[in-house]
Amino acid sequence: EAGVVQSPRYKIIEKKQPVAFWCNPISGHNTLYWYRQNLGQGPELLIRYENEEAVDDSQLPKDRFSAERLKGVDSTLKIQPAELGDSAVYLCASSLALAGAGNEQFFGPGTRLTVL
Amino acid sequence: AQSVTQLDSQVPVFEEAPVELRCNYSSSVSVYLFWYVQYPNQGLQLLLKYLSGSTLVKGINGFEAEFNKSQTSFHLRKPSVHISDTAEYFCAVSFSYSSASKIIFGSGTRLSIRP
Repeated sequence: EAGVVQSPRYKIIEKKQPVAFWCNPISGHNTLYWYRQNLGQGPELLIRYENEEAVDDSQLPKDRFSAERLKGVDSTLKIQPAELGDSAVYLCASSLALAGAGNEQFFGPGTRLTVL
Repeated sequence: AQSVTQLDSQVPVFEEAPVELRCNYSSSVSVYLFWYVQYPNQGLQLLLKYLSGSTLVKGINGFEAEFNKSQTSFHLRKPSVHISDTAEYFCAVSFSYSSASKIIFGSGTRLSIRP
């Protein structure tokens, strides 16, 4: 079974440029998460989808970040414009149901973003 | 407020020695507890989880953890580590009071194994 797929794996951009990350979850997983992991820190939730609906985006900086999950399958996270402080690893995860109910989240390898 | 604390940012141990990675949480409600491992340049992988029942939980790769409600701890242990256990380990907690609960991760503990 294929795991969570993310692309690109690495991205280097200059500040004020836009950037987009793509995630394809495990087939059949209706819950999808985007996390940001700063160096030396644990992942922090940015947004959670149940199918195509964003049910928790309270930590998403909406002035520059946006996300979509068309058709409830793959998802895109965008930053426009990027700032130096956005340098981090962006992780996508999926699960069969809410991880808060005890179900395991499966993580992709992440996209390492460097903003110069 | 709910929180997760991993007291040690780095833990160096010799190969075949035992190891304990500490995790404490703060919550006034029931919790589910997880340990995830992150190998270099990879995503997180579940090691084990505690939902209910026996407080001693066994996971993959010979790891185990014990839930201690009175001390609000969920420490991870392995009796004999291998070089391949070199990775970052994250404790995580979710709060079961709501169907909309989410996972909060600790800041991680980097385990380095010396030959």
